[in-house]
Amino acid sequence: SQTIHQWPATLVQPVGSPLSLECTVEGTSNPNLYWYRQAAGRGLQLLFYSVGIGQISSEVPQNLSASRPQDRQFILSSKKLLLSDSGFYLCAWMGGWVAGGNEQFFGPGTRLTVL
Amino acid sequence: GENVEQHPSTLSVQEGDSAVIKCTYSDSASNYFPWYKQELGKRPQLIIDIRSNVGEKKDQRIAVTLNKTAKHFSLHITETQPEDSAVYFCAATSNFGNEKLTFGTGTRLTIIP
Repeated sequence: SQTIHQWPATLVQPVGSPLSLECTVEGTSNPNLYWYRQAAGRGLQLLFYSVGIGQISSEVPQNLSASRPQDRQFILSSKKLLLSDSGFYLCAWMGGWVAGGNEQFFGPGTRLTVL
Repeated sequence: GENVEQHPSTLSVQEGDSAVIKCTYSDSASNYFPWYKQELGKRPQLIIDIRSNVGEKKDQRIAVTLNKTAKHFSLHITETQPEDSAVYFCAATSNFGNEKLTFGTGTRLTIIP
């Protein structure tokens, strides 16, 4: 069966510091991968998605970037964090398309606090 | 692109009563409609989904209905229990070259004991 991992689970970082969040998926190949951010009490904001190694689509221009160095690895980075980057970061995966659409599954998330 | 609206934003229901959450979508090409439940501090979990070739789907106390003509779909929870308290998100997508889910803004459901 498929599993998705994220680390770290929680992170407290000062403003202006760099960021690296990692997501890995097991039990599937060539998944679509997604990074979402959720501010406290708010909805799901899609940040980036990837349909293959080295292929990144950006949804929201900001000081974050994403990379996919391996098929089942997705990394979210920042060179300098802002206070507004605080939130719950969720990685998700989706398998290949089946007729009528496909399910998207979320990782456990990383709670980031920028002070 | 797709736009999904979700109502209400908050809903309080007496334990044992039914709860209904409604979503509308804009893209007539959308053909897959999942619902996610997110408990406090946890990840969203897929609880039920429906594809455009059916009008209703049930799983125990949870059901989803779809009206493609009107472009709206609804989540129905019957015999609500305290553990149903959570935030619920609807979403929509099509599989015609589109890899993204468009989410609604969420409904905070509170079950009153």
